[in-house]
Amino acid sequence: EAGVVQSPRYKIIEKKQPVAFWCNPISGHNTLYWYRQNLGQGPELLIRYENEEAVDDSQLPKDRFSAERLKGVDSTLKIQPAELGDSAVYLCASSQGLAGGELFFGEGSRLTVL
Amino acid sequence: GQQLNQSPQSMFIQEGEDVSMNCTSSSIFNTWLWYKQDPGEGPVLLIALYKAGELTSNGRLTAQFGITRKDSFLNISASIPSDVGIYFCAGQLDFGNEKLTFGTGTRLTIIP
Repeated sequence: EAGVVQSPRYKIIEKKQPVAFWCNPISGHNTLYWYRQNLGQGPELLIRYENEEAVDDSQLPKDRFSAERLKGVDSTLKIQPAELGDSAVYLCASSQGLAGGELFFGEGSRLTVL
Repeated sequence: GQQLNQSPQSMFIQEGEDVSMNCTSSSIFNTWLWYKQDPGEGPVLLIALYKAGELTSNGRLTAQFGITRKDSFLNISASIPSDVGIYFCAGQLDFGNEKLTFGTGTRLTIIP
């Protein structure tokens, strides 16, 4: 069974440029998450989707970050405009939606903002 | 955002040694999980704990859910080279609330 697929793996942009990350969750997983992992730290939740609905976006910086999950499957996370402090690894994860927190993570998209 | 406190921050051990690490929180969690992250990869679940006081094993790994619900411990016995990586604890507040709060990580290095 295919795991969580993310692209691109790496992205280098200049500040003030836009960037987008794409995630395809494990088939049948209703819950999708975007986490941000800064260097030397653990992942921090940005947004959680239950099917198409964003049920927790309290940690998403809404002035420059946006996300969507069309048709409750794939998801896109966008940053516009990017700032130097946005350099991090953006991890997508999915789960079946059952209680217990067993998330499956993708390999991540590493963003470097110059 | 909140991050759980893990210690030690890093460990340098020889192959075959046992490893112990812990994770503490200022608030209660009802689920504790331990993940391992290899360079360039996403975290992979190792062990999940669902009950205070629970002791669970997965091969050479043993984890415990602290009785106060504010801490958890992970032990690795007879370490091997593939154990190298960063270990993260994660806590979940409520069943049905699937937000995970991660720890700061423990980096394990095996000295040849």
